Amino acid sequence: DIQMTQSPSSLSASVGDRVTITCQASQDISNYLNWYQQKPGKAPKLLIYDASNLETGVPSRFSGSGSGTDFTFTISSLQPEDIATYYCQQYDNLPPWTFGQGTKVEIK
Amino acid sequence: EVQLVESGGGLVQPGGSLRLSCAASGFTFSSYWMHWVRQAPGKGLVWVSRINSDGSSTSYADSVKGRFTISRDNAKNTLYLQMNSLRAEDTAVYYCARDDGHWGKGTTVTVSS
Repeated sequence: DIQMTQSPSSLSASVGDRVTITCQASQDISNYLNWYQQKPGKAPKLLIYDASNLETGVPSRFSGSGSGTDFTFTISSLQPEDIATYYCQQYDNLPPWTFGQGTKVEIK
Repeated sequence: EVQLVESGGGLVQPGGSLRLSCAASGFTFSSYWMHWVRQAPGKGLVWVSRINSDGSSTSYADSVKGRFTISRDNAKNTLYLQMNSLRAEDTAVYYCARDDGHWGKGTTVTVSS
């Protein structure tokens, strides 16, 4: 099975800061990686697909990069409404989907 | 607009059964592979099961294999998850999701005596 290791598990940053989250796959998944945002009591919302493509309607301060086993998610300028937990998800297979452990983003 | 609406959750005793439904609208349901994902209270997201577009192929997480059955009715635009022999550790919010990352709002399953 493919394992996804996401870090950090939580972070605290100031409004306007650049925030970076990393996700490492246990084997090559090409660019079959999504990034989701989940706010408390809500369903996950797709932000980035195919590792680096911004979902329609998602603010451009969100971005993703990487391929193979190492991936990065960035918020270029943290806003108060970005407080949430962020998950990476592989969809290469084995099993069909695997999620990272999540990163809780808070405002300092 | 793509909509996925889950239903069928509730409180059930250990060993009991529930059938979850996910009603799809706003897209051609029969063209998409579909998934169930769950999230235990305060925990992360865990993939549960997947079904292909015509229902001929399914897969399951090891933790539910032999107890849960995924199915679909493309004529009714509905996805199902039959859950048998439920355990306390199955307690979670269950989400249906389209293969390209659109999710429903979830339905809560609580397994407790």
